[in-house]
Amino acid sequence: DAGVIQSPRHEVTEMGQEVTLRCKPISGHNSLFWYRQTMMRGLELLIYFNNNVPIDDSGMPEDRFSAKMPNASFSTLKIQPSEPRDSAVYFCASRGQGDIYGYTFGSGTRLTVV
Amino acid sequence: KNQVEQSPQSLIILEGKNCTLQCNYTVSPFSNLRWYKQDTGRGPVSLTIMTFSENTKSNGRYTATLDADTKQSSLHITASQLSDSASYICVVTSFSGGYNKLIFGAGTRLAVHP
Repeated sequence: DAGVIQSPRHEVTEMGQEVTLRCKPISGHNSLFWYRQTMMRGLELLIYFNNNVPIDDSGMPEDRFSAKMPNASFSTLKIQPSEPRDSAVYFCASRGQGDIYGYTFGSGTRLTVV
Repeated sequence: KNQVEQSPQSLIILEGKNCTLQCNYTVSPFSNLRWYKQDTGRGPVSLTIMTFSENTKSNGRYTATLDADTKQSSLHITASQLSDSASYICVVTSFSGGYNKLIFGAGTRLAVHP
């Protein structure tokens, strides 16, 4: 298994541009999480999907952020318009049903908004 | 407020030496506690997971302890290697809002020098 796959690994964009981050969870996993990591705040949950349905999006900073999971093998996190304060590493993680222990993280996308 | 605090913030040790990282938490209800290792530029990888009834868990040279009464955990690394240089994150799981939520500590950054 290739694990959780995220793309791109790095993204540099200008303020105001739209950014789309992508995640492919582990096959068979039914829960997907998007996290943001910064030096100041550490790892923060943005949104949690279960069986492709958003369950908790209380961590999404504001309306500029949106996430979708059109099927069990793909999710996107979109920022529009992007701002410099969105600069962070964004991680996607997935977990199998009934497996409360097995969170697997992707390698992350390092986003820099200039 | 649910919080996970780790100490020290950073640590430098010589190769071959042992070290102990600390984690204190105020999380309720408590489901389990995990220690993750995060290499630079990578996502967190699980080292150990302990439930309420477990006092200690080992994974090779890594040994985690849990005192549920005092709400403290430690991660002991034996005979450190250069590859142990990473951030170590303590994560407490709490069942809230109908699902398990991960509450992350800020991490301890460990540097192992030759």
